[in-house]
Amino acid sequence: DAGITQSPRHKVTETGTPVTLRCHQTENHRYMYWYRQDPGHGLRLIHYSYGVKDTDKGEVSDGYSVSRSKTEDFLLTLESATSSQTSVYFCAISDWGGGPDTQYFGPGTRLTVL
Amino acid sequence: AQTVTQSQPEMSVQEAETVTLSCTYDTSESNYYLFWYKQPPSRQMILVIRQEAYKQQNATENRFSVNFQKAAKSFSLKISDSQLGDTAMYFCAFMGRVGGNQFYFGTGTSLTVIP
Repeated sequence: DAGITQSPRHKVTETGTPVTLRCHQTENHRYMYWYRQDPGHGLRLIHYSYGVKDTDKGEVSDGYSVSRSKTEDFLLTLESATSSQTSVYFCAISDWGGGPDTQYFGPGTRLTVL
Repeated sequence: AQTVTQSQPEMSVQEAETVTLSCTYDTSESNYYLFWYKQPPSRQMILVIRQEAYKQQNATENRFSVNFQKAAKSFSLKISDSQLGDTAMYFCAFMGRVGGNQFYFGTGTSLTVIP
C-alpha cells in the first residue's frame, strides 16, 4: 500500500470555525489531490497540486483553499466551515511513470460541521 | 469536463456467480486511462483494475476483467466467481491527459454478494 496518511481521521466542528486537514505521503509522488465523497456524487475533486507551491482548482473548490510547502504534505483548509462541507475527505497521490498514473488514496477523514 | 456514468446504483450476485458492472464515459480525448476502484465498508479506496485507451486488449486481474469498447465509450467490469469479500461500492474513473492527471469518478455501484 502507498504510504499516505490523513489527519485527523474524524473531526466534529461548528459552523464558522476554520478547519485544516492534513495529507502526508512518504512516496515522493509529484501529484497530490483532495476529494470529497458524498452520497449520490461519488468522489469530486476539490484541489490538486502538481508540485511544491503549485496548485490548481478542481470541480468543487469554492470554500476551500490548499497549500503545499513540502513534497510530502498537502493541506486542505476550510476557512469558515459550513454544514454543506460535512463530508468524507480523501487525499490521493500519483506520479508520472512508465504506465498509467494510478491514484492511490489515503484512508479518508470524516468531517462533521454542526 | 469529462463525465462518467454508472447507471446501476445497486446490484447483487450469488456467491460463486459472475456479475458485470456497467460504466460509460464521455470525452473528446483520444489518449486516456480508465480505472475501477473498490471501496469496502472500511472506506479505503482500492484499485481493482486499469485500462489504457490505446490498448485494444482488455485488462484482466485474476477474477476481475474489463470489457473496453472505445467507440461506444463503455468500460464494464466483470467479476467472476464472486466472493463475500467482493461486497463493496465500485467506482469507475476516467483520467485524461488534459489538466494535471485529474480523475473523474462515476457515482458508484453498490455490490452485495449473497451467500
